[in-house]
Amino acid sequence: EAQVTQNPRYLITVTGKKLTVTCSQNMNHEYMSWYRQDPGLGLRQIYYSMNVEVTDKGDVPEGYKVSRKEKRNFPLILESPSPNQTSLYFCASSRGLAVYEQYFGPGTRLTVT
Amino acid sequence: GQQVMQIPQYQHVQEGEDFTTYCNSSTTLSNIQWYKQRPGGHPVFLIQLVKSGEVKKQKRLTFQFGEAKKNSSLHITATQTTDVGTYFCCSNDYKLSFGAGTTVTVRA
Repeated sequence: EAQVTQNPRYLITVTGKKLTVTCSQNMNHEYMSWYRQDPGLGLRQIYYSMNVEVTDKGDVPEGYKVSRKEKRNFPLILESPSPNQTSLYFCASSRGLAVYEQYFGPGTRLTVT
Repeated sequence: GQQVMQIPQYQHVQEGEDFTTYCNSSTTLSNIQWYKQRPGGHPVFLIQLVKSGEVKKQKRLTFQFGEAKKNSSLHITATQTTDVGTYFCCSNDYKLSFGAGTTVTVRA
């Protein structure tokens, strides 16, 4: 089954404790991206990757890191989480940027206390 | 920042009624996509519009791309409880940009 998986689905952590949210897709997609969703703000792009070893900042990259060592995986790293990073996070993948639909993962609900 | 603006933010609809949600941009878009997110779920692709003035239908949903390719609309007729959720438009020119979404609730 074609899908995007994220882990963990739920995470409660404390300020400053490094964490990684994994994202994996099995569709051989080149384009992957991370979004955060906050009430009233919709989906805001954090980082995206056009292909292996190619990443770039989205609209809200501060406080986040990503890597793309393999085509299928695109982990999101929070080196020192802060309470303002409490949010719902989605990973997405697609065949490319223009005219291709995005496939979203199930989401990760992160709470930073 | 967001390239596309959606209105209204919230839409409360009586079951059986019609409603429309709008997506507007200050710049010309190469294409527009629409997604639906059910409560507690993730966004799911609905449709893509590419041509000026394009109209596409999916059962009770009608999607339209403006002649100037600066706006788009989603019209739902005879709203049902299954239409509950948040509808997002998305432009994907040099990078993806989602609108803030229209959250739809239905009164039975």
